[in-house]
Amino acid sequence: QLQLQESGPGLVKPSETLSLTCTVSGGSISSSSYYWGWLRQPPGKGLEWIGSINYSGSTFYNPSLKSRVTMSVDTSRNQFSLRVSSVTAADTAVYYCAREYTSSSQRFEPWGQGTLVTVSS
Amino acid sequence: QTVVTQEPSFSVSPGGTVTLTCGLSSGSVSTSYYPSWYQQTPGQAPRTLIYSTSTRSSGVPDRFSGSILGNKAALTITGAQADDESDYYCALYMGSGISVFGGGTQLTVL
Repeated sequence: QLQLQESGPGLVKPSETLSLTCTVSGGSISSSSYYWGWLRQPPGKGLEWIGSINYSGSTFYNPSLKSRVTMSVDTSRNQFSLRVSSVTAADTAVYYCAREYTSSSQRFEPWGQGTLVTVSS
Repeated sequence: QTVVTQEPSFSVSPGGTVTLTCGLSSGSVSTSYYPSWYQQTPGQAPRTLIYSTSTRSSGVPDRFSGSILGNKAALTITGAQADDESDYYCALYMGSGISVFGGGTQLTVL
């Protein structure tokens, strides 16, 4: 059974860079059938797709975040990562990673449990 | 900018039927957007219910169904149960690798 687990600092200072890693277990991140996504949810608000990456490093980013977001993949560790630069309080959210099915099966499944990142000095 | 619209809140009586919708600020939702639906309870990660408009994800009860109704995607819960009280989110695939989520519907069962 595939599982995903987010990890990283829970507190980031304004203007600094948020960095998170998602570790995939129970399956290989190197499958060509999937992308691997990052999503977030500010407290009390809805879900927002941040971006997705595949095993070869091909990426898609949310246009509204594209200038500040970088995603990378480490197939040897079965991990993928997210960096968001120049963070503000508006980046405070629970960050989720998820497997993304593409084409006719398009969806995010399963999801990690999520990790809360607070931007504050 | 594309906005995906959902009803902010809805209520249903236990045993009743409710249909939540997912629309576009401009244009119609079709199967080509591969609508997907997610259920989320407080403090939990979202759970995938429906994908590709109407395909139930593994383990999802058949009281959940998806469709296109008019110009919107729809999630229908037939025979609502107390533990269906959750937030429900739809997502649409816009092409070029981009997905957009709706603002979510808070469903109350009472």
